Amino acid sequence: NAGVTQTPKFQVLKTGQSMTLQCAQDMNHNSMYWYRQDPGMGLRLIYYSASEGTTDKGEVPNGYNVSRLNKREFSLRLESAAPSQTSVYFCASSEGTGGATNSPLHFGNGTRLTVT
Amino acid sequence: AQSVAQPEDQVNVAEGNPLTVKCTYSVSGNPYLFWYVQYPNRGLQFLLKYITGDNLVKGSYGFEAEFNKSQTSFHLKKPSALVSDSALYFCAVRDRVNTGTASKLTFGTGTRLQVTL
Repeated sequence: NAGVTQTPKFQVLKTGQSMTLQCAQDMNHNSMYWYRQDPGMGLRLIYYSASEGTTDKGEVPNGYNVSRLNKREFSLRLESAAPSQTSVYFCASSEGTGGATNSPLHFGNGTRLTVT
Repeated sequence: AQSVAQPEDQVNVAEGNPLTVKCTYSVSGNPYLFWYVQYPNRGLQFLLKYITGDNLVKGSYGFEAEFNKSQTSFHLKKPSALVSDSALYFCAVRDRVNTGTASKLTFGTGTRLQVTL
C-alpha cells in the first residue's frame, strides 16, 4: 500500500520557469492538500480539495494553481517560479470531506524545490 | 484566527528519561488537536489526536498527550525516551466549527527532540 506518492522528489528551477508537482493517493480519501514547509514556519496550507471537483485557497495560494484531476490525483503548478517558492512541498490526504473533520492527514515524502 | 505555539525549538533528553514536548493553542470554539512526527527527508506521520472525552490520549510508539482546556495546552509525553524518538514534532489544531475555510489545520513551528545515550 503506497499511501501518498509525490513526484518528483527533487527539482531545481530557474526563475520564471514553470513546473507541475504530482500527487496521488491510493487510500480512497476524499480530501487532498498541498502544504509548503519552510524552516521556522511550520507547514502552511497552499490549496486544498475537500472532494473531487472542488478546490479552495489556503493561507499562501499566490503563485500557485491546482488541479484535482480525479479522486486519486491532486497536482500543484507553479506558472512562473520565484526564489521565494524555494521550499519543501508536501501533499496530504484525509478521509474527511472538508469541514471540521477530525480525520488525520496522511503525508507524502515531499518534493524539495530550489528556485535560482 | 486559530494558532498553535510550540515554545521550545529543541528539547534534549537522555534515553530512558521521561520527555515532554509543549504545545498551546488558540481557537474560537472547541478544538481538535493532533500531534505529528517527522523523520529526516520524510513526510509527517500522525501520532495521536484529541477529539473529546478522556483528557489523556494514547497514541503510537508509546506517546501520549494531555489535553488541558483551562490552560489551552496539549503537551506530548512519553514515560521513557528512546534514541529512535529523535525527530521533529508538530502540534496542530483545527476548530470544530466549520468556518467556511473548511479543513484548515494550523500547525505549530515544530520542536526538535534529541534523545541521547
